[in-house]
Amino acid sequence: QSVLTQPPSASGTPGQRVTISCSGSSSNIGSNTVNWYQQLPGTAPKLLIYSNNQRPSGVPDRFSGSKSGTSASLAISGLQSEDEADYYCAAWDDSLNVYVFGTGTKVTVL
Amino acid sequence: EVQLVESGGGLVQPGGSLRLSCAASGFTFSSYEMNWVRQAPGKGLEWVSYISSSGSTIYYADSVKGRFTISRDNAKNSLYLQMNSLRAEDTAVYYCAREASDGDQYYFDYWGQGTLVTVSS
Repeated sequence: QSVLTQPPSASGTPGQRVTISCSGSSSNIGSNTVNWYQQLPGTAPKLLIYSNNQRPSGVPDRFSGSKSGTSASLAISGLQSEDEADYYCAAWDDSLNVYVFGTGTKVTVL
Repeated sequence: EVQLVESGGGLVQPGGSLRLSCAASGFTFSSYEMNWVRQAPGKGLEWVSYISSSGSTIYYADSVKGRFTISRDNAKNSLYLQMNSLRAEDTAVYYCAREASDGDQYYFDYWGQGTLVTVSS
């Protein structure tokens, strides 16, 4: 049972901006940084954003992250067909003492 | 190049045991904390277990506590997950993931390709 809530799906046409929300609580997002992972179909997850808004080397700047209070969001600007994937937010939970993942959002490029 | 390669998955009966391995290369394995994360078919990601770089600190998800044991052999650059008393709900792809840090915050910067564990009679 995930403690971080994401919308199950999001979609957009090529070139559009898509935003994915991630809602948590004071014990996870409210106290710790948020990371985002991208999982392309049939592949392992890949780190997309760490520490709320940092992009690892090689991640296009079309991807950006932000956090406010107990919520976070991932934005994909200039949506491309290769962005079709599942996206998961994640954070450490101080109350549960576990690393928690969001419910996941499937992004479809129309 | 950082590489994590899992092995050991397969079909096992309920109540059975399985030992997963994760072979690491391309980095100084003994300097990094490691984790196991699993994904049931068609479901989301679930963190399973953590082990510190020395192996002295270990954490488990409640769902596997008392049944799974994480360990590592820094001389062999390998991470392990011993899974006992397996249940149908343990059926999943199991990933090993390297943990990186940004100050006192942590994230998984490299993942293996995963190994499938199927628990069924």
